[in-house]
Amino acid sequence: AQKITQTQPGMFVQEKEAVTLDCTYDTSDQSYGLFWYKQPSSGEMIFLIYQGSYDEQNATEGRYSLNFQKARKSANLVISASQLGDSAMYFCAMREDLSGNTGKLIFGQGTTLQVKP
Amino acid sequence: DAMVIQNPRYQVTQFGKPVTLSCSQTLNHNVMYWYQQKSSQAPKLLFHYYDKDFNNEADTPDNFQSRRPNTSFCFLDIRSPGLGDAAMYLCATSRETSGRGNEQFFGPGTRLTVL
Repeated sequence: AQKITQTQPGMFVQEKEAVTLDCTYDTSDQSYGLFWYKQPSSGEMIFLIYQGSYDEQNATEGRYSLNFQKARKSANLVISASQLGDSAMYFCAMREDLSGNTGKLIFGQGTTLQVKP
Repeated sequence: DAMVIQNPRYQVTQFGKPVTLSCSQTLNHNVMYWYQQKSSQAPKLLFHYYDKDFNNEADTPDNFQSRRPNTSFCFLDIRSPGLGDAAMYLCATSRETSGRGNEQFFGPGTRLTVL
C-alpha cells in the first residue's frame, strides 16, 4: 500500500484564487510529521509547511495552510491568492518518527499546479 | 545565502565512467541525505549520514557509495553509471531525524546525464 497518495496529477487555478492540493497518508506510527515541498522546473525542493501528528492546530505559513484531518489521515495543502510563481510541482511527504527513526521522507507522486493569468 | 550547495548543477558522464557528486552545508546539521529523483517521479532516499554513521537503504544498489569526511561535506559516488542512473540527485540536511523543527532542507540538485 502506498504510504503517501496524491490523487491529482495536475491542477489548474486562476491567479488570485485559492487552491487545495490533496494528500492522504498511511502509517501505524503515532508520531510522524507531514511536509509539503514545492519543486519548480529548476529542480530545487523548497520546504513550504510542516504539521506534526500531535499538533492540534492546523499549520499556517503565509499563504500556505495545511488542512490536517488526523482521523481521515489527510493533510491537504491550501494555497490562498495564487500567484503565477506558484506554478510548480508540489510534493506531500511523511516522516515516520518511530519506524527506524532515520528521518527518511516518503514522498507522494506529486501534483503539478499551473496558475493561469 | 545558500545553505545547502550542490556541485556541479549539471553533470554529464559516460556509461561506466565513475562520477562523484558533491554536497556541502552551512547549517551545521547532523544529518545529510541523498535522494534520487528520476524524471516525473518522486524522490527516493538512497542513504543518509547521522554525523559519521552511515545508513544505507535496503534497496540502494551497490553501485552507489557515499562519503562524509566532515560535518559540512558529503559525496555521492557512482562507481559504474548505467543509463538507468540518469536522474536528479538531491542532497538534504536536517538537524535531527525527528521532531518539530527538524525539517529537511534541500540543495538545488545535480542533474546527471549518462551517455
